[in-house]
Amino acid sequence: EIVLTQSPGTLSLSPGERATLSCRASQSVSSSYLAWYQQKPGQAPRLLIYGASSRATGIPDRFSGSGSGTDFTLTISRLEPEDFAVYYCQQYGSSVYTFGQGTKLEIK
Amino acid sequence: QVQLQESGPGLVKPSETLSLTCAVSGYSISSGYYWGWIRQPPGKGLEWIGSIYHSGSTYYNPSLKSRVTISVDTSKNQFSLKLSSVTAADTAVYYCARHAWGKQVGDWGQGTLVTVSS
Repeated sequence: EIVLTQSPGTLSLSPGERATLSCRASQSVSSSYLAWYQQKPGQAPRLLIYGASSRATGIPDRFSGSGSGTDFTLTISRLEPEDFAVYYCQQYGSSVYTFGQGTKLEIK
Repeated sequence: QVQLQESGPGLVKPSETLSLTCAVSGYSISSGYYWGWIRQPPGKGLEWIGSIYHSGSTYYNPSLKSRVTISVDTSKNQFSLKLSSVTAADTAVYYCARHAWGKQVGDWGQGTLVTVSS
């Protein structure tokens, strides 16, 4: 089973700043199978990025994804107040889906 | 636009079987996609439980496989989860979801909290 490790665990930034979130896989992941989600308290996760770098419908272009192999990154170019939430990466491999443990993006 | 709605008991006793149903509207399960269950213990991360195709083909998380059964009822346009021999560690918000196999989860239910306690 592929293990996804996200870093940092918590990221404290101010609105307007740039956020860089990391997701590292224990073995190589096909870019087609890597996604990012945003979750706010009391809500279901929302798909942000799929295929490592494609934005889901309705997702603002300040969100971007990149990476390949074992290292993937979610970047939020200029933080808006509504972006403070928990972010998860997710992969599919060998008939199993796994999620990272999450990065909490909090207001500094 | 597809909508998914979980339903079932919010409290289950230890050693018993947790049963949830996901009602799908706005899309026919028979038309395609996989239909899955994902859970999230309070304050923790997400865990995929398993998924089913309308034909009945299933994929389960190996860590839960011995206790999980997912089934589909195309006549009612719904699918179900059964998790046997539950313990407190199975306390979680349970989400039902739609996804293409091997792809991202694009559609989620609102989630339902199930507490395992005597």
